[in-house]
Amino acid sequence: GAGVSQSPRYKVAKRGQDVALRCDPISGHVSLFWYQQALGQGPEFLTYFQNEAQLDKSGLPSDRFFAERPEGSVSTLKIQRTQQEDSAVYLCASSLSGYGYTFGSGTRLTVV
Amino acid sequence: RKEVEQDPGPFNVPEGATVAFNCTYSNSASQSFFWYRQDCRKEPKLLMSVYSSGNEDGRFTAQLNRASQYISLLIRDSKLSDSATYLCVVNPGGSQGNLIFGKGTKLSVKP
Repeated sequence: GAGVSQSPRYKVAKRGQDVALRCDPISGHVSLFWYQQALGQGPEFLTYFQNEAQLDKSGLPSDRFFAERPEGSVSTLKIQRTQQEDSAVYLCASSLSGYGYTFGSGTRLTVV
Repeated sequence: RKEVEQDPGPFNVPEGATVAFNCTYSNSASQSFFWYRQDCRKEPKLLMSVYSSGNEDGRFTAQLNRASQYISLLIRDSKLSDSATYLCVVNPGGSQGNLIFGKGTKLSVKP
């Protein structure tokens, strides 16, 4: 596609519910990143894929967070047993060469 | 200490003013540096890369001081459309590494 596509745009989850956030990167982009942006903060790194390999998951805040990119294109970020502190915008970015990251519009998650 | 620190502002300036933002980073081995712009409820977008020699793009000038681990952005002749949050961004690990973002500096340009 022309840009990075994320869905859903908005998600309201009850505390304890599992959620799955989808990222469809720019076609052919090798690198894919997930970031979490809390209100009034800059984006915080969560995890990074190069093709289907998850090379860095050091930013995932707990074992409730899990990301996958099984065929090296679309990626899913899953959050189990959501907590209120998980409320944030989840941003996905892709890159062809490691420079020129393009971000998606994000998924705004609200846990109530 | 946070890896990338910047003054959150807000900076409220009149149209036509010159405004400067500063940023410091903690990892002296950091490889590349950027300024991103983020409009309210939108995704971050690359404004410009930052080089040691300094670089200019129209009304925007970015500077990097590796010895002081300091990055700056200067905006001349501010426009209403410059109102946004400016994020200082560092790539600590070369071309394939993740980006480290500052909290952002909010700029509001008033008529």
